[in-house]
Amino acid sequence: SQTIHQWPATLVQPVGSPLSLECTVEGTSNPNLYWYRQAAGRGLQLLFYSVGIGQISSEVPQNLSASRPQDRQFILSSKKLLLSDSGFYLCAWSARQGAGELFFGEGSRLTVL
Amino acid sequence: AQSVTQLDSQVPVFEEAPVELRCNYSSSVSVYLFWYVQYPNQGLQLLLKYLSGSTLVESINGFEAEFNKSQTSFHLRKPSVHISDTAEYFCAVSDDGATNKLIFGTGTLLAVQP
Repeated sequence: SQTIHQWPATLVQPVGSPLSLECTVEGTSNPNLYWYRQAAGRGLQLLFYSVGIGQISSEVPQNLSASRPQDRQFILSSKKLLLSDSGFYLCAWSARQGAGELFFGEGSRLTVL
Repeated sequence: AQSVTQLDSQVPVFEEAPVELRCNYSSSVSVYLFWYVQYPNQGLQLLLKYLSGSTLVESINGFEAEFNKSQTSFHLRKPSVHISDTAEYFCAVSDDGATNKLIFGTGTLLAVQP
């Protein structure tokens, strides 16, 4: 069966520090991968998605970047965190072929102080 | 551009009462519709989905939703709620079967009271 792992689960970082959140998927090949952010009391905002290694699409201008160095690995990064980067970050995957649902990881809660 | 509207940010209801969580979407093409549930500090779990075929879809725990193309709605219903149904519910839409990008509503907190 397929599984998705995110880490770290929680992170407290000072303003201006770097960030790296990792996500890996097991049990499937060639998945589409996604990063969403959920701010307190708000819905989910799609940040990045990827349909293949090295292929990253950004949905909103921001202080973050994403990379996909391997087929089943998706990394969210920042060189210098802002207070507004605080939130709950969710990684997800979907099958490459055809319409279907997204499967989400357990999330990473980032607090920038 | 697609959008999803969940008008109710919070729905309080007593245990064993019926509930409806509303969802309207905006899209000019064929759509795929989803309801997800989120428990505190957890990721999202798929509750049910409409991809094609029957417009009424059901989940294993008693929820159902009906795709209404003329009203661009996909409301979620349950005839009798339990305390354990207390959670945040998100409606989502996609019109892109290649990327499967989902656009989410802002969520509705279902608060079931004893």
